[in-house]
Amino acid sequence: GEDVEQSLFLSVREGDSSVINCTYTDSSSTYLYWYKQEPGAGLQLLTYIFSNMDMKQDQRLTVLLNKKDKHLSLRIADTQTGDSAIYFCASNTNAGKSTFGDGTTLTVKP
Amino acid sequence: NAGVTQTPKFRVLKTGQSMTLLCAQDMNHEYMYWYRQDPGMGLRLIHYSVGEGTTAKGEVPDGYNVSRLKKQNFLLGLESAAPSQTSVYFCASSYSPGLNTEAFFGQGTRLTVV
Repeated sequence: GEDVEQSLFLSVREGDSSVINCTYTDSSSTYLYWYKQEPGAGLQLLTYIFSNMDMKQDQRLTVLLNKKDKHLSLRIADTQTGDSAIYFCASNTNAGKSTFGDGTTLTVKP
Repeated sequence: NAGVTQTPKFRVLKTGQSMTLLCAQDMNHEYMYWYRQDPGMGLRLIHYSVGEGTTAKGEVPDGYNVSRLKKQNFLLGLESAAPSQTSVYFCASSYSPGLNTEAFFGQGTRLTVV
């Protein structure tokens, strides 16, 4: 089945850029998502990219997709302490089921 | 808008007890899902439903049953709880599986089995 992998931890200083990386295995993935989970809360969809796109920008967020290498990244510009959370990468291949990575815990230091 | 609502939010069970988790959505979504989230393991799909009256197994279905008698509700049952089922359970719903889909998640149910 599909496998989605992420690094587990990332620590940055406030004001720096954060880059969270994700790799997936199924080349038929149609949509790739980034979700944010704050402590004690459910998952919130941050952004998504369709598989025929290379890049998508939404305010401070930039998603880059390298379909050949099956690599997805999320860049957060001017990272703030409020961005501290767990970020999940997910791929959607069929029937509405999404496969999630294990999550990257982003810690933003003042 | 309520979105996706899960009840209860917290529960402690003794081994062997049974319980039902309720997920309700008011967005008229066809697709509903139950996930469990464990430390270092991300989210794993337990069961899902593609419409009223239908259910299907996900990645980790053993020990759970589900029902979708009404389109807006998706119930997750544990017939005989085990400590290995201690987890945070998330329900999600989506309009369709394909184009422009996104899943809306509930706030989670923290279940502890002792």
